[in-house]
Amino acid sequence: DGGITQSPKYLFRKEGQNVTLSCEQNLNHDAMYWYRQDPGQGLRLIYYSQIVNDFQKGDIAEGYSVSREKKESFPLTVTSAQKNPTAFYLCASSRDRYQPQHFGDGTRLSIL
Amino acid sequence: GQQLNQSPQSMFIQEGEDVSMNCTSSSIFNTWLWYKQDPGEGPVLLIALYKAGELTSNGRLTAQFGITRKDSFLNISASIPSDVGIYFCAGPSGGSYIPTFGRGTSLIVHP
Repeated sequence: DGGITQSPKYLFRKEGQNVTLSCEQNLNHDAMYWYRQDPGQGLRLIYYSQIVNDFQKGDIAEGYSVSREKKESFPLTVTSAQKNPTAFYLCASSRDRYQPQHFGDGTRLSIL
Repeated sequence: GQQLNQSPQSMFIQEGEDVSMNCTSSSIFNTWLWYKQDPGEGPVLLIALYKAGELTSNGRLTAQFGITRKDSFLNISASIPSDVGIYFCAGPSGGSYIPTFGRGTSLIVHP
């Protein structure tokens, strides 16, 4: 089945550590996105990528980094500079930038 | 950035009741999207609207793109327990193609 796979489902980070969240899609979509979701909040855009080897900052990019070396993969690194990383992280993709986004099932990141 | 106001924030209803929720914006929207999120999962696209005045159904769900292009409505008829979840509206406006998301309407259905 085609879809978006996020891993791991749950992730724990120690203070001062970087962690990388995986997002893979086999939908042959050009565009991919990372969102952060906090309780009672809407989805806030962290980074997005329209095409391989290109990505743009979203509304809350500070403390995060991404890469887009392959069309199907868009990993997100939560760096130690992100002071409040505990959240639910959602990856999405779309056929192109004008099409609706389809989401993975998320990764919940917690601080130990 | 653009603001999306989604209401109500939460709803507690009895099984079989109809549900109505809405989203308003300070900016004109080119597209309105409605998603549903089950606990611990990612949002799933329910309905996409592309033209002012458009009315689209998906089973028991009906959504409308407001004539002013600044609002949208989602109705659920004859609610059932599996309708429980958070419903988000979203859409790009102006020159942006990246959708902004509302804060969601949390729906609880009592059997």
